[in-house]
Formats: sequence, structure tokens, C-alpha cells
Amino acid sequence: GAVVSQHPSRVICKSGTSVKIECRSLDFQATTMFWYRQFPKQSLMLMATSNEGSKATYEQGVEKDKFLINHASLTLSTLTVTSAHPEDSSFYICSAKGQTQPQHFGDGTRLSIL
Amino acid sequence: AQKITQTQPGMFVQEKEAVTLDCTYDTSDQSYGLFWYKQPSSGEMIFLIYQGSYDEQNATEGRYSLNFQKARKSANLVISASQLGDSAMYFCAMRETDSWGKLQFGAGTQVVVTP
Repeated sequence: GAVVSQHPSRVICKSGTSVKIECRSLDFQATTMFWYRQFPKQSLMLMATSNEGSKATYEQGVEKDKFLINHASLTLSTLTVTSAHPEDSSFYICSAKGQTQPQHFGDGTRLSIL
Repeated sequence: AQKITQTQPGMFVQEKEAVTLDCTYDTSDQSYGLFWYKQPSSGEMIFLIYQGSYDEQNATEGRYSLNFQKARKSANLVISASQLGDSAMYFCAMRETDSWGKLQFGAGTQVVVTP
């Protein structure tokens, strides 16, 4: 069964709205969570690394004010795409890592901004 | 600089045949980990196999095996007895020592298994 739950799986919303995506580790404590973005037929690009209780570390070129990440507990991280625009449409996928496990991925969120 | 290279954008393989997916990597770390993930069209990332840099034996998981050649910095995935359900995108990834566990992915190889 799934060990990482990502919600919602699909979002369609109007330009200018903010969208929150949740990533939960279901049966382990995720000391670190990762957020990736994937364009069609391309690889996963790491956006940021999120450690519980501290600020996220963003990769070069990723706007931290645009993509807000909160890792409030050992089982939950959220990504908020603020004031989303059509160019933010993409597949967003999170992963979670405990002390020893390999990373487990959520099922991803398809975000479409109209 | 690209750290993970997958040179095969796409491959066709016949059902029940074996297929090898190439992956080369670049790192100066002594300790690192190599992963293969499968991504079907539905989008989820499915962990297949892991090889640690200090593991002396090649990793195997069912029909998946990893051909690890450390000196050549290659970590090819071999899928034996291909099944129609193996059709998917396959990604090679590397985790370096001081990276908090973050993975760097290759461009992926699209595998299509034909009857």
C-alpha cells in the first residue's frame, strides 16, 4: 500500500488563485521531504528540500515566494503555489524520507491553471 | 553539469525478452546510492531497485537487476522476461553523500513492451 499520500491528485483552477498540495507520510516519520516538478515527457526537477521544523532549501531558480513550503510535522509537508498562472501548470510530486528508508513518492498532483 | 545520463530516450522490447537500460553517473563522492524508478503513464514513481556504492554484489529484485560497474560509473538496469505491464518511463537517480538524501534524476527512458 501507499506509504506517502499526496492530495489532491488533480487540480484545475483559475489564474491568480493559490493552490495548496499536501504530502503525508503514512507509516513512518519523514525527517525530510522533497518537492519535484515534472513537465510532460521530461525528468523530475527538484524544487526544494524540506526538513521538519526548519525553512525549506530551494534549488536555484525556484522562487521561494511563489512556491511556499511548510513542513509542520514529521508526517506532513505542504506546497502552496501562490497566485498561480498558466505557466505554473505542471505535475508536482513529493517524496518523503525517514531515517533509513529510500525515498517514497506520492502519486503526484496534476495542476492545470486556466 | 548533468550528473545522471540516460542515453536511450525510448526502446521497444518484445514480451518475454530481456532489456537493458543504460545509466551513467558522475560524482566525486566515495559514498553514494543509485536508484531506479518506474513511472507509468498514471504518473506515480515506483521504486524498483537500489545499489549502494560500497555494495560488492549487484542488486537484484525479482525480474530487476542492476549491473553496477563502479570503475565505469555505470548502473544499468536489466529487466528480464518483459511483460506488457513493464511499459513505462524508467528513471535512474543518484543520491550523493552530503545531499540530505535528495535525488538527481536522469532524463528517463521510455520502454514500450510489444506482444
